[in-house]
Amino acid sequence: AQSVTQPDIHITVSEGASLELRCNYSYGATPYLFWYVQSPGQGLQLLLKYFSGDTLVQGIKGFEAEFKRSQSSFNLRKPSVHWSDAAEYFCAVGGLGGSYIPTFGRGTSLIVHP
Amino acid sequence: GAGVSQSPSNKVTEKGKDVELRCDPISGHTALYWYRQSLGQGLEFLIYFQGNSAPDKSGLPSDRFSAERTGGSVSTLTIQRTQQEDSAVYLCASSFGTYQETQYFGPGTRLLVL
Repeated sequence: AQSVTQPDIHITVSEGASLELRCNYSYGATPYLFWYVQSPGQGLQLLLKYFSGDTLVQGIKGFEAEFKRSQSSFNLRKPSVHWSDAAEYFCAVGGLGGSYIPTFGRGTSLIVHP
Repeated sequence: GAGVSQSPSNKVTEKGKDVELRCDPISGHTALYWYRQSLGQGLEFLIYFQGNSAPDKSGLPSDRFSAERTGGSVSTLTIQRTQQEDSAVYLCASSFGTYQETQYFGPGTRLLVL
């Protein structure tokens, strides 16, 4: 079955440290890739997306993600985390199994220590 | 401009009762999606509308769940004879066109079935 895996349920970082959130998917062809953030009490907001072209994608709030076909990964990165980045992060992959509806991972909860 | 709105924001009901959840998408958005988010889980796709038609209902978990969209705008998700396992946050999202377009999410309706 097609799937999206976010292997880390929780990640804790110190403010100012770098961040990498992992996302892997099982699919043969190039899918459509998204990262969303859900802050407490807020709806999901798109951080960035990849459909084709340059495999390093820049998003909002200083986030970037890199599509690595050989690893079936789309990891989210930020060089310096701010306390306001504490939230739930969801990777989503479209095109799995021929479906155009994005499949979401279970999410990674980011905790930021001062 | 106004974002996606959902009502009610919270709903507590007794097992066996019917509930209706409403979604008002962003004006002009033709695509509308319903998702369910259970505690500690990712987003589970329920149904997708393009205009008033639902080309993909594959995510509806049982025949107790139904949804409609009228006038290419407002959508209602109905759960009949609610069960405790229906307790979750129900999210609605809309987008301009196909899945390639950014989905804009509402704040969700938190449903608790006692």
